[in-house]
Amino acid sequence: GEDVEQSLFLSVREGDSSVINCTYTDSSSTYLYWYKQEPGAGLQLLTYIFSNMDMKQDQRLTVLLNKKDKHLSLRIADTQTGDSAIYFCAESYSSASKIIFGSGTRLSIRP
Amino acid sequence: DGGITQSPKYLFRKEGQNVTLSCEQNLNHDAMYWYRQDPGQGLRLIYYSQIVNDFQKGDIAEGYSVSREKKESFPLTVTSAQKNPTAFYLCASSIRVTPTGTVNTGELFFGEGSRLTVL
Repeated sequence: GEDVEQSLFLSVREGDSSVINCTYTDSSSTYLYWYKQEPGAGLQLLTYIFSNMDMKQDQRLTVLLNKKDKHLSLRIADTQTGDSAIYFCAESYSSASKIIFGSGTRLSIRP
Repeated sequence: DGGITQSPKYLFRKEGQNVTLSCEQNLNHDAMYWYRQDPGQGLRLIYYSQIVNDFQKGDIAEGYSVSREKKESFPLTVTSAQKNPTAFYLCASSIRVTPTGTVNTGELFFGEGSRLTVL
């Protein structure tokens, strides 16, 4: 079955880079996503990567995809206090019409 | 502005009562979804609908019911059969097929959520 796993917590110092990791099980994934959730709110899409890509960069965000190991990572450069949130990894695949989410990683920023 | 609206934001229910959570979107999206969020468990799919008058069970559909009579609306009823209904409920929508006929990336647009507490 499909499963997406993430660590629950990450703490980084302001100005450092944050790296949030995710592993997934379904090798037929079409797209992989990173969503951000601020307290008491819904999720917003940060970025996504198509399964035939290895890397995608968007300003401070870098997504790396290792299909062999089924590993996805999100790097946030120069982490700021406004980056404090829960970050969800998710995957979708063409054989179904649903998106599977990981448990979310809560990112906290130390001064 | 286009968006997806959930109501109410907070809801309290006594045990044994059914409650209905509203979800409306004006994005002209084909697909709509209901997720449940519990601390440390991420999002779990309750029901989803790809087209009007059709919907499918997700991973945790027991104790819930939905309808999709209009493209814009996908209400969720939490019935008294749901054993542990206290949670944060998120509705989402996505466009399945663009006007040019190509399948979109599947990006989900979320509402702000409804927090249900059973007293």
